Amino acid sequence: GNSVTQMEGPVTLSEEAFLTINCTYTATGYPSLFWYVQYPGEGLQLLLKATKADDKGSNKGFEATYRKETTSFHLEKGSVQVSDSAVYFCALWTYGGSQGNLIFGKGTKLSVKP
Amino acid sequence: ETGVTQTPRHLVMGMTNKKSLKCEQHLGHNAMYWYKQSAKKPLELMFVYNFKEQTENNSVPSRFSPECPNSSHLFLHLHTLQPEDSALYLCASSQLGGENTEAFFGQGTRLTVV
Repeated sequence: GNSVTQMEGPVTLSEEAFLTINCTYTATGYPSLFWYVQYPGEGLQLLLKATKADDKGSNKGFEATYRKETTSFHLEKGSVQVSDSAVYFCALWTYGGSQGNLIFGKGTKLSVKP
Repeated sequence: ETGVTQTPRHLVMGMTNKKSLKCEQHLGHNAMYWYKQSAKKPLELMFVYNFKEQTENNSVPSRFSPECPNSSHLFLHLHTLQPEDSALYLCASSQLGGENTEAFFGQGTRLTVV
């Protein structure tokens, strides 16, 4: 079946450190891939997305590249800030006729220290 | 403001109470979703409505009863809940059949069952 696996957290970094959160997926067909972010006390917000192989999604300094050969969509940021502290979810969109469904990973909590 | 509004933001209810969660989307989407987010567990898809028709029910107990009167509104009726039902309940909407497949989330209702 379709699934998403992302690295276990929590991840604790100092400000300006480099961030990588790994995400791999299993899916039939050609899913769209997403990273969502959840700040404390809030719902999920779309951070970035990629809809086909080799696409790079980017937003707010975060990037992720859709790698079909390794079935991965790792999230990276060159220099994290305290305000990036949140839970990050990798997700894929599966298609079934006219239906669609988002499947999420378990989430990775990021804490950035000053 | 994501275009998806959930009320109430917080709810405390006893196990014998009946309450309802409300979700409204202002994005013109044709699909709406209920997710449950518990501590230390992945996001769980509960219900999917596509063009007001329920298309998925992921083995959710009958004490949770969804209602979708139109494509802009989604309710989750609650009765005789258990303490383990305490969680953040997230509503989302998306547009199926087009190129933009991302889901937009509300801020959630934090439910506590006492």
